[in-house]
Amino acid sequence: EAGVAQSPRYKIIEKRQSVAFWCNPISGHATLYWYQQILGQGPKLLIQFQNNGVVDDSQLPKDRFSAERLKGVDSTLKIQPAKLEDSAVYLCASSLGLAGGTRGEQFFGPGTRLTVL
Amino acid sequence: AQSVTQLGSHVSVSEGALVLLRCNYSSSVPPYLFWYVQYPNQGLQLLLKYTSAATLVKGINGFEAEFKKSETSFHLTKPSAHMSDAAEYFCAVNGGSQGNLIFGKGTKLSVKP
Repeated sequence: EAGVAQSPRYKIIEKRQSVAFWCNPISGHATLYWYQQILGQGPKLLIQFQNNGVVDDSQLPKDRFSAERLKGVDSTLKIQPAKLEDSAVYLCASSLGLAGGTRGEQFFGPGTRLTVL
Repeated sequence: AQSVTQLGSHVSVSEGALVLLRCNYSSSVPPYLFWYVQYPNQGLQLLLKYTSAATLVKGINGFEAEFKKSETSFHLTKPSAHMSDAAEYFCAVNGGSQGNLIFGKGTKLSVKP
């Protein structure tokens, strides 16, 4: 079974530029998550989708970050314009469904490492 | 609100020694608890999870964790460390009914030969 795919793996941009990340979840997984992991910290949820609807985006900086999930499958996360403090690893995860138990188990992609200069 | 505290950002053990990584949680509801491992330049891999069944949970690679409600702890242990265990370990608690996870800051485990 293929895992969660993310691209690109690495990205270097200058501040005020824009950038986009792509995620392809495990086939059949209804729930998709984007996490931000700053160096030395644990991942922090940015946005959660159930199929193509947003479940939780309370920690997404909406003035510069946006995300969409096309047809309830792939997802893109965009930052425009980027700031120095956006340097982090952006992790995508997916699960069969919501909440705990087997259906809620999250599988993570390898992440995209963003450096903002 | 749910939160997780991992004591010790770095832990170093000798190969063959006991591994003990500490995690304390705070939760207003019965928690689901998780340990994840992250190898360099890779995503997170689930080691084990507690979902209100047995309090002693066995995971992959010889790791186990014990849920202690009285101590609000979920410490991760392995009897004998291997060089391949060197990685960063994250404890997490379910953030709510929507299934999102709240992570600790992580503990980096080093294994000396």
